[in-house]
Amino acid sequence: EIVLTQSPGTLSLSPGGRTTLSCWASQRVTSNYLAWYQQRPGQAPRLLIYGASNRAPGIPGRFSGSGSGTDFTLTISRLEPEDFAVYFCQQYGSSPYTFGQGTKLEIK
Amino acid sequence: QVQLVQSGAEVKKPGASVKISCKTYGYAFTTSYIHWVRQAPGEGLEWLGIINPHGGAPDYPQKLQGRVTMTRDKSTSTMYMELSSLRSEDTAVYFCAREYGVLGFDYWGQGTLVTVSS
Repeated sequence: EIVLTQSPGTLSLSPGGRTTLSCWASQRVTSNYLAWYQQRPGQAPRLLIYGASNRAPGIPGRFSGSGSGTDFTLTISRLEPEDFAVYFCQQYGSSPYTFGQGTKLEIK
Repeated sequence: QVQLVQSGAEVKKPGASVKISCKTYGYAFTTSYIHWVRQAPGEGLEWLGIINPHGGAPDYPQKLQGRVTMTRDKSTSTMYMELSSLRSEDTAVYFCAREYGVLGFDYWGQGTLVTVSS
């Protein structure tokens, strides 16, 4: 089983700022099938990035993903108020499909 | 447009079973796998398994083997997830999600709250 570790657990930032979230895998992620999801309170997760670096349809350009193998990052270039939420990474290259524990982005 | 619509909240006693439905709309049912994921209160996301709409054996994580059963009804484009021998730790919101090839889980159901309490 691939274990995903996200860092940091919580980030306190101001709107307009830039941030980078990290996700490390315990083993190489097959075909870089690494996704990032945003989850707002009371809602289902929303796909942001697939295949490590591809924005999902309808996702704003301020979201970008990078990385390969075992090290991945999600960057949000200019934080909007609606971006303050929890972010999860997930590998879907091999079963069991696993999620990171999440990074909470909160308003400073 | 693509939609996954789940059944309503459930309250169950320990030891009972629960069966949740996920009705799909807006795409050809047999073209995409469906996954089930749960989230305990205040916790992260846990993958529960995958079912192929064409049939064949579902794939479940080791820790749920023997307790989870995923089935499909092609005639109504609906997937089902049944969890047996419920315990308090199974209290969570349960989601179905569509896997669209390399895109990962692109559409999610609204979630179904299952509460296990005596």
